[in-house]
Amino acid sequence: EIVLTQSPGTLSLSPGERATLSCRASQSVSSSYLAWYQQKPGQAPRLLIYGASTRATGIPDRFSGSGSGTDFTLTISRLEPEDFAVYYCQQYGSSPLTFGGGTKVEIK
Amino acid sequence: EVQLVESGGGLVQPGGSLRLSCAASGFTFSSYWIHWVRQAPGKGLVWVSRIKSDGSSTLYAESVKGRFTISRDNVKNTLYLQMNSLRAEDTAMYYCAMYGGGSGWFWGQGTLVTVSS
Repeated sequence: EIVLTQSPGTLSLSPGERATLSCRASQSVSSSYLAWYQQKPGQAPRLLIYGASTRATGIPDRFSGSGSGTDFTLTISRLEPEDFAVYYCQQYGSSPLTFGGGTKVEIK
Repeated sequence: EVQLVESGGGLVQPGGSLRLSCAASGFTFSSYWIHWVRQAPGKGLVWVSRIKSDGSSTLYAESVKGRFTISRDNVKNTLYLQMNSLRAEDTAMYYCAMYGGGSGWFWGQGTLVTVSS
């Protein structure tokens, strides 16, 4: 199975700053079938990005995804107060689905 | 609007059984593969099982193989997860999720399973 490693584990930033989250796969992710989710306490994961770079419906354009093969990045251009949360990457190009361990974006 | 609504969670003793349901609406249920994903308290997301659109093929994580059974009723538009021989480590929020192709992934709100004596 494909192992996804997210870094850093925690990102301490201030509102207005840029956040760059990394997701590295143990082998190439087929057809860039890579998604990013945001999760807040007590809530289900919220889809942000799929197909590595396509924003889901209703997602603000400050969120962007890039990458291919084994290296993927989620960028939040300017952090808003509501963006402080845990972020997960997921690959769905091969079975089984796998998820990264998450990156927590916290207020500095 | 695509909706996935899980139910059936609760408190169960170790060794017990529980059946989860995921009611689907807003899309042609019989055309899509559906997955179960779980999340233990304070932990990350872990894939559990998936079923093909017509129910002819299933796959399980090693941790639940032989204990859990995924199934679906394409007339009732409902996905199931029969969980037997439950263990403390099965305690988690259970989500159903579906890949909608060009529309991305859709998830339910989850149902909580607690295995404890």
